[in-house]
Amino acid sequence: EVQLVESGGGLVKPGGSLRLSCAASGFKFSTYRMSWVRQAPGKGLEWVSSISSGSYHIHQADSVKDRFTISRDNAKNALYLQMNSLRAEDTAVYYCTRGDYDDLWGQGTLVTVSS
Amino acid sequence: DIQMTQSPSSLSASVGDRVTLTCQASQYISNYLNWYQQKPGKAPRLLIYAVSDLEAGVPSRFSGSGSGTHFTLTISGLQPEDFATYYCQQSEIFPRSFGQGTKLEIK
Repeated sequence: EVQLVESGGGLVKPGGSLRLSCAASGFKFSTYRMSWVRQAPGKGLEWVSSISSGSYHIHQADSVKDRFTISRDNAKNALYLQMNSLRAEDTAVYYCTRGDYDDLWGQGTLVTVSS
Repeated sequence: DIQMTQSPSSLSASVGDRVTLTCQASQYISNYLNWYQQKPGKAPRLLIYAVSDLEAGVPSRFSGSGSGTHFTLTISGLQPEDFATYYCQQSEIFPRSFGQGTKLEIK
């Protein structure tokens, strides 16, 4: 089955860190650009970061620059998001997405930043 | 950065209606415009990419048009399952940006 499954979300205190993972299956992961998109409770969609198929090109939103790092392991069909210095405004459901058109989405993982 | 503005923010319509949602980009984005549908508690779903190309499995009552900075999503013959929130997104350049969404509600 073609799918993306995120994990690693949870409750973390402001200033803390979390690492999100996204497991891909059913397609040739190594050939696709991958991204993270988030959605704060009751709000719209916000693009977070993207990484090219070979990890050569990485782009990030200004809101997460210098705090979040996207990476991938093509041998493990996995995408990651290392999130440091977390703030309350980072509270959101984080989705991993596939390709230039975000044509495949995971179910999302909730990150809550609160003391 | 490119700003995407959707209108209206919300829309009430009836089953069988034809509705048109609008998305305006703050600068030229060629045909790099995509539309997504999101239902409550679910992940978004790609409906249309590159302005007018229908994603596999999406009903033909959905159609997209436009160019440059002004784009529309039309749903011809609304079905009960179409009541959801719709987002446009530009994929011309990074940072990617989404519109704020249009919530389509049952009248």
